[in-house]
Amino acid sequence: SAVISQKPSRDICQRGTSLTIQCQVDSQVTMMFWYRQQPGQSLTLIATANQGSEATYESGFVIDKFPISRPNLTFSTLTVSNMSPEDSSIYLCSVRAIYEQYFGPGTRLTVT
Amino acid sequence: ELKVEQNPLFLSMQEGKNYTIYCNYSTTSDRLYWYRQDPGKSLESLFVLLSNGAVKQEGRLMASLDTKARLSTLHITAAVHDLSATYFCAVDGDSNYQLIWGAGTKLIIKP
Repeated sequence: SAVISQKPSRDICQRGTSLTIQCQVDSQVTMMFWYRQQPGQSLTLIATANQGSEATYESGFVIDKFPISRPNLTFSTLTVSNMSPEDSSIYLCSVRAIYEQYFGPGTRLTVT
Repeated sequence: ELKVEQNPLFLSMQEGKNYTIYCNYSTTSDRLYWYRQDPGKSLESLFVLLSNGAVKQEGRLMASLDTKARLSTLHITAAVHDLSATYFCAVDGDSNYQLIWGAGTKLIIKP
């Protein structure tokens, strides 16, 4: 199993600012995933982050808006840049271990 | 296009009743995942179904997988209020380790 922590757990931000979300895993993992979950919706994959390489972004998400760092096998950050109210969501960090996918507690972001 | 369809999307039921949530998918995946999400919380893994005919049970929840029909079911027996949550199913996508998610079923169980 994997235990994942995220910081911050929630934040209220002003339009036009940026927020960096941290994700820490208690074991080394190859792939880390960043998801967005808008209110009342399912999960949408933002990007897959491998250590030592550029993140792979899904359609509709770009590096300038959601830059990701993956400096080692247990840590990643996601930055939400130049925020607008449409970015208000829960952001979830996730890792895969064999047949299980584990999720962090999420970061609830509100943009005003 | 890879799709995962859940139904119903919303279910309100009385305690003590039985009901089934359905998850149809379009991929050729042999693996299917069920998660539970409480309001304002993250996702909790309920079941991982790894092959055709797999059946898993935990308490009042039982999940099954028919890969030929590309269908999984999550059956709730004698529902209790504590099972109120949103339930998601997901399958492996084409890319390594990416999951394709259903829309979720919001389950409300009334006393």
